[in-house]
Amino acid sequence: QKEVEQDPGPLSVPEGAIVSLNCTYSNSAFQYFMWYRQYSRKGPELLMYTYSSGNKEDGRFTAQVDKSSKYISLFIRDSQPSDSATYLCASWNSGGSNYKLTFGKGTLLTVNP
Amino acid sequence: GAVVSQHPSRVICKSGTSVKIECRSLDFQATTMFWYRQFPKQSLMLMATSNEGSKATYEQGVEKDKFLINHASLTLSTLTVTSAHPEDSSFYICSARDRADTQYFGPGTRLTVL
Repeated sequence: QKEVEQDPGPLSVPEGAIVSLNCTYSNSAFQYFMWYRQYSRKGPELLMYTYSSGNKEDGRFTAQVDKSSKYISLFIRDSQPSDSATYLCASWNSGGSNYKLTFGKGTLLTVNP
Repeated sequence: GAVVSQHPSRVICKSGTSVKIECRSLDFQATTMFWYRQFPKQSLMLMATSNEGSKATYEQGVEKDKFLINHASLTLSTLTVTSAHPEDSSFYICSARDRADTQYFGPGTRLTVL
């Protein structure tokens, strides 16, 4: 079992829809959780960074972590065509001696005008 | 936000030549830099982790003699693909970790080996 699982999609939604992107993880030691957005042929861009359980909101984006179920979510409200990209979840454990992000496979999102 | 640059953004070379890719953190000092490889429609694959002034730590299956990493300063790391072959063609992305343990990625370098 991979440490971070993510449905690769593709996911296609109409403009204005609420998008829900999800990941699950297996390593209980993970404490930090990130969402990156990657446009085609570009490097990933950090969107959200959360620690432990809870919600974090930034504009139209909300990141949610539920450590009891090992579930990570990213919600996008009022989705726009410019949100079309691949979204990668990532986690790491600060207690380990080797800092290394573990990535999901990424979900390809298309927002149709 | 923090900015990481990569140069060149795209390179085409002949088989057997060596190619150097630079990664710079422009507005922060990076405690650690990372090199990833990404094939089309696949996720990032970590190749190696490098700390300034010390040898890079390579992931299993990555040839250290083929992918030479030099971390000369807290803002610069280089990846040299030695004796490149067509199977080395890929998208190479570096990232840098700042003192708050946030990792920022460069824009990537597309390598095509003919």
